[in-house]
Amino acid sequence: QQQVKQSPQSLIVQKGGIPIINCAYENTAFDYFPWYQQFPGKGPALLIAIRPDVSEKKEGRFTISFNKSAKQFSLHIMDSQPGDSATYFCASKLQGGKLIFGQGTELSVKP
Amino acid sequence: DTGVSQNPRHKITKRGQNVTFRCDPISEHNRLYWYRQTLGQGPEFLTYFQNEAQLEKSRLLSDRFSAERPKGSFSTLEIQRTEQGDSAMYLCASSPGTFTSNEQFFGPGTRLTVL
Repeated sequence: QQQVKQSPQSLIVQKGGIPIINCAYENTAFDYFPWYQQFPGKGPALLIAIRPDVSEKKEGRFTISFNKSAKQFSLHIMDSQPGDSATYFCASKLQGGKLIFGQGTELSVKP
Repeated sequence: DTGVSQNPRHKITKRGQNVTFRCDPISEHNRLYWYRQTLGQGPEFLTYFQNEAQLEKSRLLSDRFSAERPKGSFSTLEIQRTEQGDSAMYLCASSPGTFTSNEQFFGPGTRLTVL
């Protein structure tokens, strides 16, 4: 019940495309949903996050869409660039701060 | 650099040896978290501190693992009698720990290789 399921496992898009990464959760006690970007050999970097009382949040080229009834949320990257090529993780937070991460999506943006 | 720092960045050890990692959180962040990440997987929660108090430990944290945050500032994670299965990236994150701020900021990690 504490799992966060992320899809797809990998994604290839052309420069300028809009990759979409999806996550689903079961535990309604989750109260905060961040997305992290990770480059090889580096720690995860916080991209954008949303609370369950909000349906959409935009920060620059990154948008989170949140569907509370379906217990799903997704990350959209507008006008994707080769520099966005990285692994993306969704996560869900339990009270106390523990993050439960998805399995990750390896994104490749082709020039 | 005012981000989370971790030392060492890489550690190679032989099976059965003890290792210790250090994490320095962002200044004034009350909460400090340890996660473990294996290749191709998302980080997995190990334990966290609110100031110097260790408030939760994962079942992943066997008796060979111990973490401390003695003065509520830096933290150490020690693994005793290392096993090959301990090979992973050990990540530290810190958070303000306030009701209005849930953000966790990660350090660069310590990559452990157990031969």
